[in-house]
Amino acid sequence: QVQLQESGPGLVKPSETLSLTCTVSGGSLSGYYWSWIRQPPGKGLEYIGYIYYSGSTNYNPSLKSRVTISVDTSKNQFSLKLNSVTAADTAVYYCAFESIGRLAGAFDIWGQGTMVTVSS
Amino acid sequence: QSALTQPRSVSGSPGQSVTISCTGTSSDVGGYNYVSWYQQHPGKAPKLMIYDVSKRPSGVPDRFSGSKSGNTASLTISGLQAEDEADYYCCSYAGSYTLVVFGGGTKLTVL
Repeated sequence: QVQLQESGPGLVKPSETLSLTCTVSGGSLSGYYWSWIRQPPGKGLEYIGYIYYSGSTNYNPSLKSRVTISVDTSKNQFSLKLNSVTAADTAVYYCAFESIGRLAGAFDIWGQGTMVTVSS
Repeated sequence: QSALTQPRSVSGSPGQSVTISCTGTSSDVGGYNYVSWYQQHPGKAPKLMIYDVSKRPSGVPDRFSGSKSGNTASLTISGLQAEDEADYYCCSYAGSYTLVVFGGGTKLTVL
């Protein structure tokens, strides 16, 4: 069973760059779309974007100017960078994917999530 | 403002049935048979309960069912149990530009 684990700083200063990594264990990155999703405290889910194992990416239009998702197949990891953060970016960040190998909103495998707070 | 509209809360007694609606547009819910539903307990990651409008992943009880009519999808939970109390989110594929959109979530209370 594939498992996902997010890691990264829990506190980021305003205007700086949020950086998170998702480590994939129990399986390979090959053939899948790897996504990031976030959830502000007490609020709903927001889709950030994905990277295909080959490296192609696509992002939520509302975040596109600030987001970069990359992949490191040698480490079985993919990463999220969100620049110029503000308090509105404070959220639990999840990595997730669809184990049937597509992107259609049916994320059956999730990481446990990591809380990132933007504050000086 | 979430892309998909859900009621803020619903409630029901043990053994009863409840239905949660999810209204979108022809660009998301109405345009694709890719509606999914997630259950989220406090402090936990979302769990996929329904995908492709009405399919259940392995291990999800058949008390959970999904449907769609036009731009509105629905999740029905029959034979309510205490452990069903949670937040529920709908989700839809929305094309190669918008990608994936979520509803604002519905809090289910089991009375």
